[in-house]
Amino acid sequence: GENVEQHPSTLSVQEGDSAVIKCTYSDSASNYFPWYKQELGKRPQLIIDIRSNVGEKKDQRIAVTLNKTAKHFSLHITETQPEDSAVYFCAGSSGTYKYIFGTGTRLKVLA
Amino acid sequence: DAGVIQSPRHEVTEMGQEVTLRCKPISGHNSLFWYRQTMMRGLELLIYFNNNVPIDDSGMPEDRFSAKMPNASFSTLKIQPSEPRDSAVYFCASRKQGETQYFGPGTRLLVL
Repeated sequence: GENVEQHPSTLSVQEGDSAVIKCTYSDSASNYFPWYKQELGKRPQLIIDIRSNVGEKKDQRIAVTLNKTAKHFSLHITETQPEDSAVYFCAGSSGTYKYIFGTGTRLKVLA
Repeated sequence: DAGVIQSPRHEVTEMGQEVTLRCKPISGHNSLFWYRQTMMRGLELLIYFNNNVPIDDSGMPEDRFSAKMPNASFSTLKIQPSEPRDSAVYFCASRKQGETQYFGPGTRLLVL
């Protein structure tokens, strides 16, 4: 069935370093890949997304890359700051109604 | 737009009681989703509606859970009878066809 695997489950980085979170999807029909950030006690909020006709998308310090052949997509955060500490979820969607979410990555940025 | 609205924001109840969670999607959004989030199980999709019609309820844990969407601006998730293992944060989310999904603030449920 449809599945999205996300790694790592936890990630600690020093402030100013880069963080990379990776996801793999199983449904070849997936064509939309959003990333959500969830701060403690808050709702998941969209931070960036990418569609299958694009290989990379960047927004200031965050970027997402997509490799359709390998069914991989990754979130890159550069120059990490303490406020980047949160749980990050990737998701895949094939254009049907629902998203398939990954299991989440807890990112800790150490000051 | 006020975003997705959920009520109550917090609910504490005793085992065996009925619990009703409410959601108002963003105006113009035609898909609505109910999720449950716990530390152990992460973010689980319980059920989703499209144009007020339930499309997939395979995530509903058991018959104690039911959901309705009587119109485009309102949905409920009901648990009857509630059990301690139902304690979780319940999120409602909505989206317009082909666009991004937005989450509500969630309802924190504690069943004693």
